[in-house]
Amino acid sequence: GNSVTQMEGPVTLSEEAFLTINCTYTATGYPSLFWYVQYPGEGLQLLLKATKADDKGSNKGFEATYRKETTSFHLEKGSVQVSDSAVYFCALPASGNTGKLIFGQGTTLQVKP
Amino acid sequence: DTEVTQTPKHLVMGMTNKKSLKCEQHMGHRAMYWYKQKAKKPPELMFVYSYEKLSINESVPSRFSPECPNSSLLNLHLHALQPEDSALYLCASSQERAGGLGKLFFGSGTQLSVL
Repeated sequence: GNSVTQMEGPVTLSEEAFLTINCTYTATGYPSLFWYVQYPGEGLQLLLKATKADDKGSNKGFEATYRKETTSFHLEKGSVQVSDSAVYFCALPASGNTGKLIFGQGTTLQVKP
Repeated sequence: DTEVTQTPKHLVMGMTNKKSLKCEQHMGHRAMYWYKQKAKKPPELMFVYSYEKLSINESVPSRFSPECPNSSLLNLHLHALQPEDSALYLCASSQERAGGLGKLFFGSGTQLSVL
């Protein structure tokens, strides 16, 4: 079945540093790919998504490109802010139209002033 | 209104108590979900309702009992829980059963502690 592997954290960066969080997937076909973010004390919210190969999802300065050659969907941001401190989850649908999302293990990002 | 509202935000209960978690959305979404999240872990799917019918039960123990009274409401009834059930319980909704769409709207969760 479909699966996702995400780099382990925590990741600690200084403000304005460049961020990369790695995510690779295994899937049947070419499912949509997602990044969700969870701020402290909150539920998850969709950060960005890509629905087909070579698509680039972007939102709030974050970007991720759906790369089928490397089966990757790495999250990047050119200049992080303290307010970006959160847990980031890569996700894709389970195989079959089940309504189930498979989440990566999550990467905690801490940005220091 | 793009919110999923969960109540209560915090709940402490003993192992013999009966309590309920509530979730509400007014986005016209026809799929609703319960997830359980332990600290520093990803959410784990428990139940999926599609058009008010239970469509997925991820082998959840019977001490958790979901209910979908109408298209806007989702409840999770709790009875005889164990300390290991302590976790953040998240409700989510989507326009329809997610399938390839995957855009879920999450509530802020209920932090449950079982003593």
